[in-house]
Amino acid sequence: NAGVMQNPRHLVRRRGQEARLRCSPMKGHSHVYWYRQLPEEGLKFMVYLQKENIIDESGMPKERFSAEFPKEGPSILRIQQVVRGDSAAYFCASDPDGIGNTIYFGEGSWLTVV
Amino acid sequence: DAKTTQPNSMESNEEEPVHLPCNHSTISGTDYIHWYRQLPSQGPEYVIHGLTSNVNNRMASLAIAEDRKSSTLILHRATLRDAAVYYCILRETYNNNDMRFGAGTRLTVKP
Repeated sequence: NAGVMQNPRHLVRRRGQEARLRCSPMKGHSHVYWYRQLPEEGLKFMVYLQKENIIDESGMPKERFSAEFPKEGPSILRIQQVVRGDSAAYFCASDPDGIGNTIYFGEGSWLTVV
Repeated sequence: DAKTTQPNSMESNEEEPVHLPCNHSTISGTDYIHWYRQLPSQGPEYVIHGLTSNVNNRMASLAIAEDRKSSTLILHRATLRDAAVYYCILRETYNNNDMRFGAGTRLTVKP
């Protein structure tokens, strides 16, 4: 059973470009979380999704950021018009049943904005 | 949201036990206590969780105070591979998306 897969692992974007980060949850998991980690800081919750639904996006910046988890395919975190402050590690986690006893994290996508 | 307080850093010697404390004085009756750890350049990894009773698994033990206002993660024999940031998190049973990470405790293991 493959773990949570994130890609790309490393992404470099120029200011103003778009970044798309993908997350394939563990097989059979229908709940996905996205977290952001700035250098030398803890993880900050961004958004919680179930298949085709955003359940909680209270941690998502109001502008430029969006997330989806379609019926088929991976969850996507999209950052439009990136700025230097978006440089961070973005972690995805999946949950088998939404109860949340254990969630499983991917290895992260490191975004660098130059 | 109930908050947790952990020391910023701790040191341990290899093959000795490590006790990582966490204070959560505003914990509610439905909050589970979760511990995750994050090794350098990796995603967080589940360690253990509990509600009221002490818990043991292959990785660690969790000792929960009787009043639940504090807990301690116990690594019985620290190895160099246990060097990581350890996060103590409270998670409400009815608000499943509310898992908020603090700054955690950075554990250094000395050979």
